[in-house]
Amino acid sequence: NAGVTQTPKFRVLKTGQSMTLLCAQDMNHEYMYWYRQDPGMGLRLIHYSVGEGTTAKGEVPDGYNVSRLKKQNFLLGLESAAPSQTSVYFCASSAVGQGIFEQYFGPGTRLTVT
Amino acid sequence: GENVEQHPSTLSVQEGDSAVIKCTYSDSASNYFPWYKQELGKRPQLIIDIRSNVGEKKDQRIAVTLNKTAKHFSLHITETQPEDSAVYFCAASTNTGFQKLVFGTGTRLLVSP
Repeated sequence: NAGVTQTPKFRVLKTGQSMTLLCAQDMNHEYMYWYRQDPGMGLRLIHYSVGEGTTAKGEVPDGYNVSRLKKQNFLLGLESAAPSQTSVYFCASSAVGQGIFEQYFGPGTRLTVT
Repeated sequence: GENVEQHPSTLSVQEGDSAVIKCTYSDSASNYFPWYKQELGKRPQLIIDIRSNVGEKKDQRIAVTLNKTAKHFSLHITETQPEDSAVYFCAASTNTGFQKLVFGTGTRLLVSP
């Protein structure tokens, strides 16, 4: 049981390049999330998904797109990277049901845009 | 929307001392308050959480208290150990079926031997 995994672990992009970050979970979780973490700012929600085929905007969605074609995968895309998108990106997932369920985080992707 | 403030930003204690981290939230509808620990270079991990129908919750050396009237909640760590050194994040959300957490800015705790 790998939990939540992310690829790649590190990436350096030039301004204007594009890339896709992949998040995968093997816990059959319904909900998935993408956060970015910047120094002194905590974690901020970029986009989230409440189920396969559905996505929604979070707190800081500009410059990012997402897709959830399969329940276990949640992709985060940067179409034209900017230096302001230099950050550590975390994916998370959680179950659905009666009550509140813990969010499990992936190991993170450190992205640098030059 | 919800806004969560967290203090202090850094906290240094001696091993064995207690540490307290405080958070305030703005949305009175928030009813779930988790605390995450993040070690250097690692992922955030849930260490304790509290729901709005409870005033205090303990788990060994850690405890969380919630004051709904004042809209603040705190993390208490007793008998601190060097392995408690990490960044701690508080968060708040409304349980509307989907958990949209709003995080505080984090507290870097350093426990010196």
